[in-house]
Amino acid sequence: QKEVEQDPGPLSVPEGAIVSLNCTYSNSAFQYFMWYRQYSRKGPELLMYTYSSGNKEDGRFTAQVDKSSKYISLFIRDSQPSDSATYLCAMLGPGGGADGLTFGKGTHLIIQP
Amino acid sequence: NAGVTQTPKFQVLKTGQSMTLQCAQDMNHEYMSWYRQDPGMGLRLIHYSVGAGITDQGEVPNGYNVSRSTTEDFPLRLLSAAPSQTSVYFCASRRGSNNSPLHFGNGTRLTVT
Repeated sequence: QKEVEQDPGPLSVPEGAIVSLNCTYSNSAFQYFMWYRQYSRKGPELLMYTYSSGNKEDGRFTAQVDKSSKYISLFIRDSQPSDSATYLCAMLGPGGGADGLTFGKGTHLIIQP
Repeated sequence: NAGVTQTPKFQVLKTGQSMTLQCAQDMNHEYMSWYRQDPGMGLRLIHYSVGAGITDQGEVPNGYNVSRSTTEDFPLRLLSAAPSQTSVYFCASRRGSNNSPLHFGNGTRLTVT
């Protein structure tokens, strides 16, 4: 069983739709959860960073963590063509890679104008 | 505010050649790391450093060397390039505390022929 599972997509939605991106994980020791956005030919850019279960909102973005289900989500409201990118989840904690950090492989999101 | 700067942006090598990928950060971050990103494989940790003079291996260290003589710089050396090292390389940094998120550079795209 892979440590972090993320659907690679592509996920294609019309402009203005609500987007839901998800990751599941198996290591219950993960404590910190991140979402990165990566545009083509650019480095990953930190979008959201959360610690506990629950929701965290920043503008059109909401990160949700459910530790009991080992499931995290990123919601994008009023999606824009500029949101088209690859979204990577990342998790930090004991057992998560050589430096404690484990990345999902990313979901490619396309917002159709 | 430059953040994490990587040079060069692109490089083509012949098999057996050596080169150094440069990485510098101006955020006074203690921790720095190198990843490679390949299609379908996600981000894989090559080497990391928790401070000047200290380096350690990640998930895929073979064929790569690193050193950390200053807080700001963390170069990655390929001693004898192989086609399997064709990839996009990302340098990242963060504060020393284990729960700090990573900040990435914009990558070096390397092709080995």
